[in-house]
Amino acid sequence: DAGVTQTPRHEVAEKGQTIILKCEPVSGHNDLFWYRQTKIQGLELLSYFRSKSLMEDGGAFKDRFKAEMLNSSFSTLKIQPTEPKDSAVYLCASSLGLGDEQYFGPGTRLTVL
Amino acid sequence: GEKVEQHESTLSVREGDSAVINCTYTDTASSYFPWYKQEAGKSLHFVIDIRSNVDRKQSQRLIVLLDKKAKRFSLHITATQPEDSAIYFCAASMEGNNRIFFGDGTQLVVKP
Repeated sequence: DAGVTQTPRHEVAEKGQTIILKCEPVSGHNDLFWYRQTKIQGLELLSYFRSKSLMEDGGAFKDRFKAEMLNSSFSTLKIQPTEPKDSAVYLCASSLGLGDEQYFGPGTRLTVL
Repeated sequence: GEKVEQHESTLSVREGDSAVINCTYTDTASSYFPWYKQEAGKSLHFVIDIRSNVDRKQSQRLIVLLDKKAKRFSLHITATQPEDSAIYFCAASMEGNNRIFFGDGTQLVVKP
């Protein structure tokens, strides 16, 4: 079985650019999550979808971060415009449903110069 | 919202000894408590979980204990091996909601 895939694995952006990160969840999973991981802040939830509907949008990340799930097998996270403080690892995860384990992708390491 | 705290930011043990990682949570409505492991340079993967209808669960060398009164849960790794070295995250979520709240992680180092 294919796990969660994320592309690109590494991204370097100039301040002010728009970047789009991509995620394909495990086939058949209903829930999809986007997280940001940094050493200082730890794991922060950016977005949570259930059956393609946005359940949570991570509050503080609303203004420049936008996650979309156009179909059940593909999601994007757009950051516009990027800032140096956005440098982090962005993780996508999916799960079958309530109370089921989350499967994490390998992550995208974003560096904003 | 829920807040999960991990008491140990780092933990160092000798190979073969037991390791214990302790977590607390704040919301009495939390009912599902998973643990994830992150090895160096890799992503997270699930290792074990416990639900609020039991107070102990074991999977091979991993034991999870839950004390609902104290809002505390812990991961015990017995007979530690070098491959257990990783960051361990505890987490909590509520009935009817798949969002999980993570602790800050505990770096476990198993010394040979």
